[in-house]
Amino acid sequence: SQQGEEDPQALSIQEGENATMNCSYKTSINNLQWYRQNSGRGLVHLILIRSNEREKHSGRLRVTLDTSKKSSSLLITASRAADTASYFCATASIYNQGGKLIFGQGTELSVKP
Amino acid sequence: NAGVTQTPKFQVLKTGQSMTLQCAQDMNHEYMSWYRQDPGMGLRLIHYSVGAGITDQGEVPNGYNVSRSTTEDFPLRLLSAAPSQTSVYFCASSYRAVGATSTDTQYFGPGTRLTVL
Repeated sequence: SQQGEEDPQALSIQEGENATMNCSYKTSINNLQWYRQNSGRGLVHLILIRSNEREKHSGRLRVTLDTSKKSSSLLITASRAADTASYFCATASIYNQGGKLIFGQGTELSVKP
Repeated sequence: NAGVTQTPKFQVLKTGQSMTLQCAQDMNHEYMSWYRQDPGMGLRLIHYSVGAGITDQGEVPNGYNVSRSTTEDFPLRLLSAAPSQTSVYFCASSYRAVGATSTDTQYFGPGTRLTVL
């Protein structure tokens, strides 16, 4: 079963607006990662947050993690048309010593110029 | 560095045919994995390897075989293709296994789009 579930499945905003995507997961994790996928391309790593961290920033990206609620959010500020892509959260469970990443179903973001 | 490369980019098979999807990385990564991506399903882990000679099953291993004879290569074999295996396949690698003692991120290849008729 999928570890991460994302909400919303699709999001359409205007350039300059902020975009927020949420991810929920089921089991205890070591870290949670966000990836981006442009249409027809492979996934690209954006940011990683450890289980003992609550917030992390990278450029226009802000990620929060609430382990008590088993949820994370990705905020993209001042969005641009080039941010149009699918965004996936992925979790590394503390029970998976083999090193598996489990991905959510993704949020499809469309930023209109 | 070329990163993670996958061949072919596109492939059409008939039901029952076999084929091998190739994956190679030139970053000396220990961990390699194969995912399939289907609409509305996200990425699902097929098989993974934590080093040469070591492989293990992921979420959806049935119908696929893997081997890891070298650090660089991690081919995925479809034994007898079925229409349910129509998907986009991604190979990924990271320096070490992504687990309790590691925070390494994964690097993805460009994908192979497979259609089984």
